[in-house]
Amino acid sequence: GNSVTQMEGPVTLSEEAFLTINCTYTATGYPSLFWYVQYPGEGLQLLLKATKADDKGSNKGFEATYRKETTSFHLEKGSVQVSDSAVYFCALLSSGSARQLTFGSGTQLTVLP
Amino acid sequence: NAGVMQNPRHLVRRRGQEARLRCSPMKGHSHVYWYRQLPEEGLKFMVYLQKENIIDESGMPKERFSAEFPKEGPSILRIQQVVRGDSAAYFCASSPGTSEQFFGPGTRLTVL
Repeated sequence: GNSVTQMEGPVTLSEEAFLTINCTYTATGYPSLFWYVQYPGEGLQLLLKATKADDKGSNKGFEATYRKETTSFHLEKGSVQVSDSAVYFCALLSSGSARQLTFGSGTQLTVLP
Repeated sequence: NAGVMQNPRHLVRRRGQEARLRCSPMKGHSHVYWYRQLPEEGLKFMVYLQKENIIDESGMPKERFSAEFPKEGPSILRIQQVVRGDSAAYFCASSPGTSEQFFGPGTRLTVL
């Protein structure tokens, strides 16, 4: 079956530091890949996505590249801000008829001023 | 352009009571999904519905849980005879049929 493995947290960084959150996946076919962000007490917001190999998703300074050869979709940001503190979830959507998202366990990020 | 609406945002029930969670999808979206997030865990798929049809319920517990998405009105996730292990955040998402799912703010269920 499908699965997503995320780097375990929590991750604590100083403002303006470089961020990487690792994500690898197992899936049949050609899934679409997503990063969602969850702020405290809120629902999930789509951060970025990529639908095919070598696509790069980007938004708000975050980016991730769909690497089929390494089955990875690592999230990066060059300079984090305090407002980026949240939980980040990597997810995949199968290319088949199933419409369910498969999520990683989430990575808590705290950015200190 | 309102997003996905869920209510109530917080729900407290005693063991053995029923919980009803409501989800109104975004305008124009006919696909609804329910996910459950247990404390300190990621989201787990429960059920996928289209209007008047359950498409995939492979993530739903076999007993006490049911879901519907009627022709008119919101989608309902119903949990009968709740137990403490049902305490979680329940998220609804909707889509127009494309790959992207839009999430609501969730209902946080606490079972005393």
